[in-house]
Amino acid sequence: RKEVEQDPGPFNVPEGATVAFNCTYSNSASQSFFWYRQDCRKEPKLLMSVYSSGNEDGRFTAQLNRASQYISLLIRDSKLSDSATYLCVVNGRTNAGKSTFGDGTTLTVKP
Amino acid sequence: GAGVSQSPRYKVAKRGQDVALRCDPISGHVSLFWYQQALGQGPEFLTYFQNEAQLDKSGLPSDRFFAERPEGSVSTLKIQRTQQEDSAVYLCASSLFQGSSYEQYFGPGTRLTVT
Repeated sequence: RKEVEQDPGPFNVPEGATVAFNCTYSNSASQSFFWYRQDCRKEPKLLMSVYSSGNEDGRFTAQLNRASQYISLLIRDSKLSDSATYLCVVNGRTNAGKSTFGDGTTLTVKP
Repeated sequence: GAGVSQSPRYKVAKRGQDVALRCDPISGHVSLFWYQQALGQGPEFLTYFQNEAQLDKSGLPSDRFFAERPEGSVSTLKIQRTQQEDSAVYLCASSLFQGSSYEQYFGPGTRLTVT
């Protein structure tokens, strides 16, 4: 079983739809969590950090459930430009170097 | 300002050859990471430097893989006696602070094909 698991999709949604992705992690000692976005054949870029209290950035909302060891990303009012692969990232203790990435969930937003 | 750069962008190596991949992190960034990304998968951690110290090399798949960052800035990932399973995109990332708990800025990657 992988340390970080994501539903690979693909998720195909129309513009304006709301879509949610989940990510589960196995290491209960994990300390920090992120969502990165990766466009086709490009490098990953930070989308947002994930905090225990949940956080929102425009149309994007991230939630962390430590008890169930999962992270979610909600995208409201999807745009064509949201089409990408979304990578869940889980890190261990503070100041450690290893980041564990999920294999990503692919989203395609269609007109 | 300048982001993370990597060279070469593409490398084709014959099986058994040695390759060296270079990463220029953002100036002043303390942390540097190397990842291997196979097609359809997420980046897989290889190694981590804090300045010139290699603090974690737990992800290096074999002793054919070696990384260094001698002056705490530029880093080189070397793969000896390349094998077909080494074909992947090798990503370098840097971060302003120590550890992986902060935003990592990725370079464009080096696509290695071993024939």
